[in-house]
Amino acid sequence: SYELTQPPSVSVSPGQTARITCSGDALPKTYAYWYQQMSGQAPVLVIYEDNKRPSGIPERFSGSSSGTMATLTISGAQVEDEADYYCYSTDSSYNHRRVFGGGTKLTVL
Amino acid sequence: EVQLVESGGGWIQPGGSLRLSCAASGFIVSNNYMSWVRQAPGKGLEWVSVIYSDGSAYYAESVKGRFTISRDNSKNTLYIQMNSLRAEDTAVYYCTKEPDYWGQGTVVTVSS
Repeated sequence: SYELTQPPSVSVSPGQTARITCSGDALPKTYAYWYQQMSGQAPVLVIYEDNKRPSGIPERFSGSSSGTMATLTISGAQVEDEADYYCYSTDSSYNHRRVFGGGTKLTVL
Repeated sequence: EVQLVESGGGWIQPGGSLRLSCAASGFIVSNNYMSWVRQAPGKGLEWVSVIYSDGSAYYAESVKGRFTISRDNSKNTLYIQMNSLRAEDTAVYYCTKEPDYWGQGTVVTVSS
């Protein structure tokens, strides 16, 4: 079955740039989405269609995709950005099926 | 304002059935792609099922043949019927309007 692979954890100091990667064979053909999940809360969309930012999401959040890797970048990470981040896409072989990456715990301290 | 409110979760014995509901407001369910996503305790997100605006539905392999997604256009409500439940179906179940809105989730516990 199709998989998206993320690092389990990323750690940065406040003000530094955090980069979270997501690799998957179908990413050249499908969009990547990124969700932020604070502890005990529902996920929130922070990036859609590889690099678009929903209204209300701070400009420090950006996304990119090249080949089989998508990247979420948080420029000048804040303590309040500490959360789990999940990438999300579709399986191009069974393009009605969706898949989440395993999630990355971002620590900002 | 878009709002999604799930209900119907609870404790159920293995092999049992449960139907979850997701009442939507602020948009029309039948005009959108709607999904169910679940999260087992301490685990990551897992996509479960999607229903398209044309009514076609698709499922993760882990639930195919046991779960059925549907909607009631008159009630603007999304459902998922879950049969032959297993311990590994224990999770918070979220209703989503793809890709941008999520409900707060309802907890399903499958245990004897």
